[in-house]
Amino acid sequence: GAGVSQSPRYKVAKRGQDVALRCDPISGHVSLFWYQQALGQGPEFLTYFQNEAQLDKSGLPSDRFFAERPEGSVSTLKIQRTQQEDSAVYLCASSFGPPGNNEQFFGPGTRLTVL
Amino acid sequence: GENVEQHPSTLSVQEGDSAVIKCTYSDSASNYFPWYKQELGKGPQLIIDIRSNVGEKKDQRIAVTLNKTAKHFSLHITETQPEDSAVYFCAPHTGGFKTIFGAGTRLFVKA
Repeated sequence: GAGVSQSPRYKVAKRGQDVALRCDPISGHVSLFWYQQALGQGPEFLTYFQNEAQLDKSGLPSDRFFAERPEGSVSTLKIQRTQQEDSAVYLCASSFGPPGNNEQFFGPGTRLTVL
Repeated sequence: GENVEQHPSTLSVQEGDSAVIKCTYSDSASNYFPWYKQELGKGPQLIIDIRSNVGEKKDQRIAVTLNKTAKHFSLHITETQPEDSAVYFCAPHTGGFKTIFGAGTRLFVKA
């Protein structure tokens, strides 16, 4: 398909484990976003990439969260030493151009549960 | 930073009725005003957007109106259908890289 894909769709981790969440954006999309969505809430911005450059990481909750997009396409969000409060759906979105004037295309999300 | 509020948080309508959801924002520099629809188990999907040089935009049963002076914009859905049941988010954009979403409005359309 031509949409944004994310893997895994579901992840269960024990507290303290590290996890890695993958995002495959739409081919040719310059912009890539990561969001955290708690149950019953709107998506909360985590970080933004323009190609391989991480231009905004102001939404990352702590230094346990790390994101990369080394070749300007696939991106990985890594969470170290997971805590229960990290349980949420992690959404990835991509857009053709820069933020603010372009539709964001979202993946289905990865539901992370930390026990 | 941008403060975004949506009202109501929950809306229940009878099939065929209209639904209106309002989004207020704080930053007068906002210039792009999208509405997203999120169905259960899926990511949000853009349904309509408007830019600051336009007051209203319509696409079949969906319309968005913008009042820049009062800093709010609204989503209008006419002739609602059960498949319109979902959560709707506004995400007014100022510039920069960060997108702020509203808390969402859960719409129930009763058949």
